[in-house]
Amino acid sequence: EAGVAQSPRYKIIEKRQSVAFWCNPISGHATLYWYQQILGQGPKLLIQFQNNGVVDDSQLPKDRFSAERLKGVDSTLKIQPAKLEDSAVYLCASSSLMGRAEQYFGPGTRLTVT
Amino acid sequence: QKEVEQDPGPLSVPEGAIVSLNCTYSNSAFQYFMWYRQYSRKGPELLMYTYSSGNKEDGRFTAQVDKSSKYISLFIRDSQPSDSATYLCAMSAVRGAQKLVFGQGTRLTINP
Repeated sequence: EAGVAQSPRYKIIEKRQSVAFWCNPISGHATLYWYQQILGQGPKLLIQFQNNGVVDDSQLPKDRFSAERLKGVDSTLKIQPAKLEDSAVYLCASSSLMGRAEQYFGPGTRLTVT
Repeated sequence: QKEVEQDPGPLSVPEGAIVSLNCTYSNSAFQYFMWYRQYSRKGPELLMYTYSSGNKEDGRFTAQVDKSSKYISLFIRDSQPSDSATYLCAMSAVRGAQKLVFGQGTRLTINP
């Protein structure tokens, strides 16, 4: 079974620029999550999708962050404009609706804002 | 106060030692408790999953949950250099592993 795929793996941008991250979840997983992990901290949930609908985006800074999951499969997370404090690893995870709903994480995208 | 508190370490122990990792939490609604292992530049991977209070053992790993004290632990027996990683506790109040709240993570090094 293929894991969660993310791209790019690394990105360096200047503040006020925009950036987009892509995630392809495990096949058949209805739920998709985006997390932000700042260096030395645990992941913080930004947004949760179930199929193509948003379940929870209470911690998403909506003035600069946006996310979509068209057709209920792949997802993109965008930051526009970026700030220095957005430097972090952005993790995507997916889970099935069945059983324990265990979350499987991708390798993450490491963003550096200069 | 953070919902989940975890000592960030770093923790360094010799190979073969028993390792104890702990988290405390404040939200009494948490019912599902997990431990994730995260290697450098990788995503977290689930190690242990427990529901409510009690112990769960899986090979060299034992997870304990004490809901009355709002305290969870992960024990690693016969620790190996390959166990060197950051260990994250995570908790949820809803079914399964949804809406996870993570601890800060403890960075562990096992010295050969």
